[in-house]
Amino acid sequence: EDQVTQSPEALRLQEGESSSLNCSYTVSGLRGLFWYRQDPGKGPEFLFTLYSAGEEKEKERLKATLTKKESFLHITAPKPEDSATYLCGGQGGSEKLVFGKGTKLTVNP
Amino acid sequence: NAGVMQNPRHLVRRRGQEARLRCSPMKGHSHVYWYRQLPEEGLKFMVYLQKENIIDESGMPKERFSAEFPKEGPSILRIQQVVRGDSAAYFCASSRVQPLLSGEQYFGPGTRLTVT
Repeated sequence: EDQVTQSPEALRLQEGESSSLNCSYTVSGLRGLFWYRQDPGKGPEFLFTLYSAGEEKEKERLKATLTKKESFLHITAPKPEDSATYLCGGQGGSEKLVFGKGTKLTVNP
Repeated sequence: NAGVMQNPRHLVRRRGQEARLRCSPMKGHSHVYWYRQLPEEGLKFMVYLQKENIIDESGMPKERFSAEFPKEGPSILRIQQVVRGDSAAYFCASSRVQPLLSGEQYFGPGTRLTVT
């Protein structure tokens, strides 16, 4: 069964303190690895899709990378507005995405 | 450009009643996905529909749950005879083409169902 595991469950950072979120996956025939951001009481907001190992994508302070077993979301010099839950999802042979439970990020000023 | 719309945003039902959740995809999007999110858990895929067709319902409970996406009008997720365990946030997402090709699907704000 396809599975996505995110760690840590929660992460507290000081403003400007860079760190990384981890997404380990066992998705048969992975065709795409997705990152989303979710604010409280709202729906997930798309951030990145990664298709193959070695691929990297950047958006402002965020950079997502992909290996054959895991993906990382690197946050450089975070700001309080980066506080959110970050979701990772994988798509294998079917059209459905399998999501992890998310990492709740809190950035203190 | 209006995003994905879901209504109601909050729904309270007593055990045994029916819940109807509606989702209007973004303009030009013909692919709709429904997910359920329980507290402290991730999003769980329920069903994938295109206009008038159910493509993948492997995440849907076999009983009490049904979904449709008619030619005209919103997609409907219907839960019959609700039980307390159905309490959750239900999210709808839409895409213009399959997510892998477009790289993204757009989520609505969700419907929070509470069963009392």
